[in-house]
Amino acid sequence: SQKIEQNSEALNIQEGKTATLTCNYTNYSPAYLQWYRQDPGRGPVFLLLIRENEKEKRKERLKVTFDTTLKQSLFHITASQPADSATYLCALGSSGGYQKVTFGTGTKLQVIP
Amino acid sequence: SQTIHQWPATLVQPVGSPLSLECTVEGTSNPNLYWYRQAAGRGLQLLFYSVGIGQISSEVPQNLSASRPQDRQFILSSKKLLLSDSGFYLCAWTGQNYGYTFGSGTRLTVV
Repeated sequence: SQKIEQNSEALNIQEGKTATLTCNYTNYSPAYLQWYRQDPGRGPVFLLLIRENEKEKRKERLKVTFDTTLKQSLFHITASQPADSATYLCALGSSGGYQKVTFGTGTKLQVIP
Repeated sequence: SQTIHQWPATLVQPVGSPLSLECTVEGTSNPNLYWYRQAAGRGLQLLFYSVGIGQISSEVPQNLSASRPQDRQFILSSKKLLLSDSGFYLCAWTGQNYGYTFGSGTRLTVV
């Protein structure tokens, strides 16, 4: 069955450093991958989408890579700030439209001042 | 701009009682609408999705049902709640070139 793995342990990082979160998947050939940010008690907020034919995408301090051979996506936050502290979810979607995606369980990031 | 409204924010209901959660979207027409549930420490589980009025697809057979009486209204219901129905319920919609836009969620506790 399809499986998405994100590091279930929290990631603690010093302010100003680059945070790198990992999303691995098995038994899946996604057409695209998304990253979301979720704060406690709130709904996830969409950050970035990267398609299977794209290797890298950037948005301000965010960078996402997508390696369909390794079946892995890396999510980087450069010059991290305490305000970046949140849980980050990856989600994989199949071709045929943006109708359904499968979400990972998320990784909690804590940026320490 | 598009907005999504979801209510109530929190709800405490006894076992066996009915449930009705409502979600409305503004600023778009014919959106794809979704109901997700997030249990503590677990990922988002897709419950229902709808591509149009009266069109509901169920992902997980369970104690819940969904309806879409209007283009921008999506309702999640249950006739009799179970303890296992407790969780964080999220409504969402998708556009053409963006990811999901989620509502603020409803924290349901069944006691």
